[in-house]
Amino acid sequence: GAVVSQHPSWVICKSGTSVKIECRSLDFQATTMFWYRQFPKQSLMLMATSNEGSKATYEQGVEKDKFLINHASLTLSTLTVTSAHPEDSSFYICSARDRIERVYNEQFFGPGTRLTVL
Amino acid sequence: QKEVEQNSGPLSVPEGAIASLNCTYSDRGSQSFFWYRQYSGKSPELIMFIYSNGDKEDGRFTAQLNKASQYVSLLIRDSQPSDSATYLCAPVNQGGKLIFGQGTELSVKP
Repeated sequence: GAVVSQHPSWVICKSGTSVKIECRSLDFQATTMFWYRQFPKQSLMLMATSNEGSKATYEQGVEKDKFLINHASLTLSTLTVTSAHPEDSSFYICSARDRIERVYNEQFFGPGTRLTVL
Repeated sequence: QKEVEQNSGPLSVPEGAIASLNCTYSDRGSQSFFWYRQYSGKSPELIMFIYSNGDKEDGRFTAQLNKASQYVSLLIRDSQPSDSATYLCAPVNQGGKLIFGQGTELSVKP
């Protein structure tokens, strides 16, 4: 149980285009999903917290107009990188927290999406 | 001071040895602590979590927590080459968010 999927697993796009990444919880409901970014040889950095039915909360320094997050259902959150540039190339990872299991705040991670902007 | 600090790597141990990974954290309000393993190019996978002071064992892995010292560690017994990966320590802060350390790269030599 507790499986999270991401789609696509990798994407290559031209500079200036927008890219949408989907994150789905397959066998549980997630009121909260998280989006992380990881550059080579660095740790995961939290970008934003996505709550079902409400606006996402962005971490300091993350442009909310550039990284659009939508959490329209209990099993789906999307991250859209708008007007992508080469510096946005990174490994984007989502995680989800079970709506029911909240005691330890465990997060289940998706497999990640590798974005390359040319 | 960083929120989460892990011992700098890479850490190299021979096959069959014990690998010791250390982590200190700054948020005294943290109650849950997670250890993740991340292979190159992959997303983190949960090894174990701990929330009470003391030791917690799961197979070859033992997590140790000392909240007074703001210290958490992970011991890997009988290390295998397949354990070679980056290990991430992640306390949960008072806002319910995972705060990741920079990771310790472990290399287990056959």
